Amino acid sequence: TQLLEQSPQFLSIQEGENLTVYCNSSSVFSSLQWYRQEPGEGPVLLVTVVTGGEVKKLKRLTFQFGDARKDSSLHITAAQPGDTGLYLCAGETSGSRLTFGEGTQLTVNP
Amino acid sequence: EAGVVQSPRYKIIEKKQPVAFWCNPISGHNTLYWYRQNLGQGPELLIRYENEEAVDDSQLPKDRFSAERLKGVDSTLKIQPAELGDSAVYLCASSPWGKTSGNTIYFGEGSWLTVV
Repeated sequence: TQLLEQSPQFLSIQEGENLTVYCNSSSVFSSLQWYRQEPGEGPVLLVTVVTGGEVKKLKRLTFQFGDARKDSSLHITAAQPGDTGLYLCAGETSGSRLTFGEGTQLTVNP
Repeated sequence: EAGVVQSPRYKIIEKKQPVAFWCNPISGHNTLYWYRQNLGQGPELLIRYENEEAVDDSQLPKDRFSAERLKGVDSTLKIQPAELGDSAVYLCASSPWGKTSGNTIYFGEGSWLTVV
């Protein structure tokens, strides 16, 4: 059973559009991470959020951690084909275990 | 600096055969992880080492899976005997320490296993 639910599972958009990916759970996390994974490669860390309500920006990507530290969102502005990939959220639970969501497969068409 | 190195990159075996995967973490990283990733899903932790000690192996199917990190550096994950459902990507990762906050976990490219 996955503790983290991501939505949508698949997203196909045109270059220049904006999008938001959601990561939800009934569990409280001490921290939450977002990764991007490209075909044939391992996940690569994008950001770690720790404090409830925290917002972090990475160029065109904006990450937000929910006030109750149970959910998070990733917003991409003006998506580009290079943003294509599998976006994974992962929450840190007791014992420093990192639990991943099932991912959102994003395709940005030129 | 070299990243996390895994081998083999791809492996196809018949069911009931054994298979082993090797991982060399980033130099100086005390924490090593083995994850399994099924198609269309996120990675699932199998085992985590702090140096040579397995500190979290509760999700490792111990009837057929085993792992070792004898000298606290590289690690081997073994499956014996393999089953059809073991087909997946086996990801090794390492980090300077075990706590997630303020830490970065680096993943290897994975070992792709197909059991036929």
